[in-house]
Amino acid sequence: DSGVTQTPKHLITATGQRVTLRCSPRSGDLSVYWYQQSLDQGLQFLIQYYNGEERAKGNILERFSAQQFPDLHSELNLSSLELGDSALYFCASSVDSGGTPSSYNEQFFGPGTRLTVL
Amino acid sequence: QKEVEQDPGPLSVPEGAIVSLNCTYSNSAFQYFMWYRQYSRKGPELLMYTYSSGNKEDGRFTAQVDKSSKYISLFIRDSQPSDSATYLCARTSPNKLIFGTGTLLAVQP
Repeated sequence: DSGVTQTPKHLITATGQRVTLRCSPRSGDLSVYWYQQSLDQGLQFLIQYYNGEERAKGNILERFSAQQFPDLHSELNLSSLELGDSALYFCASSVDSGGTPSSYNEQFFGPGTRLTVL
Repeated sequence: QKEVEQDPGPLSVPEGAIVSLNCTYSNSAFQYFMWYRQYSRKGPELLMYTYSSGNKEDGRFTAQVDKSSKYISLFIRDSQPSDSATYLCARTSPNKLIFGTGTLLAVQP
């Protein structure tokens, strides 16, 4: 158990709908990362928050947004869902932001949310 | 070209075999390379990380980085059925990790 929790475990919804995925980081971790894992693309970075502020963005669609709350939990909102959004969504957390090339910043991954869009 | 390339497999070996998993990367600016293991329907978990070039050993696992050829390797000795999983290589990048697509390994008893 990594100490990172994610809810729900599974989500089945229809195209055009909106869903919210929730993540609670390990105790003491200030950074939260969201990744999407699909069969053809592998594990892709979406977005990072550090202590409530957005720090980095990957190839996150405009239909997707995230935030980190004062208690450090994070939510990933996916709207106008399409079939292609079906994937595993992982949250990871780390102590700091890992913002330099020479820094090592271990990321601990949660169990993921499996999203199925029908 | 993807930043981290990894043969997706699947790779099937008999129990006790030595397994070699490999990745190549394209950007030398970043110093840390890691291997994650992901069991089916679970989140990735860190196996090992290495800094720059060289080897690192942990029990049956050895991670190797060759910066001159931009090659990352993971060797598993005396492989066990419990090693059956997807193995993901990754490198650090500011504020994120960049992953290969993963290699599915099956160790047959």
